[in-house]
Amino acid sequence: DAGVIQSPRHEVTEMGQEVTLRCKPISGHDYLFWYRQTMMRGLELLIYFNNNVPIDDSGMPEDRFSAKMPNASFSTLKIQPSEPRDSAVYFCASSLMGGRGMPGETQYFGPGTRLLVL
Amino acid sequence: QKEVEQNSGPLSVPEGAIASLNCTYSDRGSQSFFWYRQYSGKSPELIMFIYSNGDKEDGRFTAQLNKASQYVSLLIRDSQPSDSATYLCAGFTNTGFQKLVFGTGTRLLVSP
Repeated sequence: DAGVIQSPRHEVTEMGQEVTLRCKPISGHDYLFWYRQTMMRGLELLIYFNNNVPIDDSGMPEDRFSAKMPNASFSTLKIQPSEPRDSAVYFCASSLMGGRGMPGETQYFGPGTRLLVL
Repeated sequence: QKEVEQNSGPLSVPEGAIASLNCTYSDRGSQSFFWYRQYSGKSPELIMFIYSNGDKEDGRFTAQLNKASQYVSLLIRDSQPSDSATYLCAGFTNTGFQKLVFGTGTRLLVSP
């Protein structure tokens, strides 16, 4: 299996521009997670989906951020308009339902998208 | 207060020594805990998980959980320079939506 695939791997953009990050989860996984990692705040969950449905978006910082999962093999995270404080590494992760019936216990991370907003 | 707390380090140990990484959590409802390793510029990868009080061993790694003290640790025996990385502790919270909550990580440096 190719693992979780993310694109682009690096993105440099100017403040105010729209940014779209893409993720393809591991085939068969029914949970998909979007995280943001910064030095100051560490790894933060932004949103997660179960069977393509958003379950918890409480970590989405503000209305400038939106995420979609139109099908089981594709998700996007969009920032519009982007700001310099959005600069971070964005990870997508996927998982199966955990053995104890808990969602997303063992999560497999993609390589991340390094976003720099100037 | 963050739900999962870790000392940022760096923790420096010589090759062959035991590295001890610690983590505390605030959500008493958390049932399971995970240790992820993250090399610089790479994505986190799962090393171990633990559900029950006590120790769980896997090769050179031992995870320890003490629910009464809300304390999780990871011991790395016979540390190697290749173990140099940031180690992320995560707890699976049952408060509200079930999800992993990560600490900010401890950087480990193993010197030859």
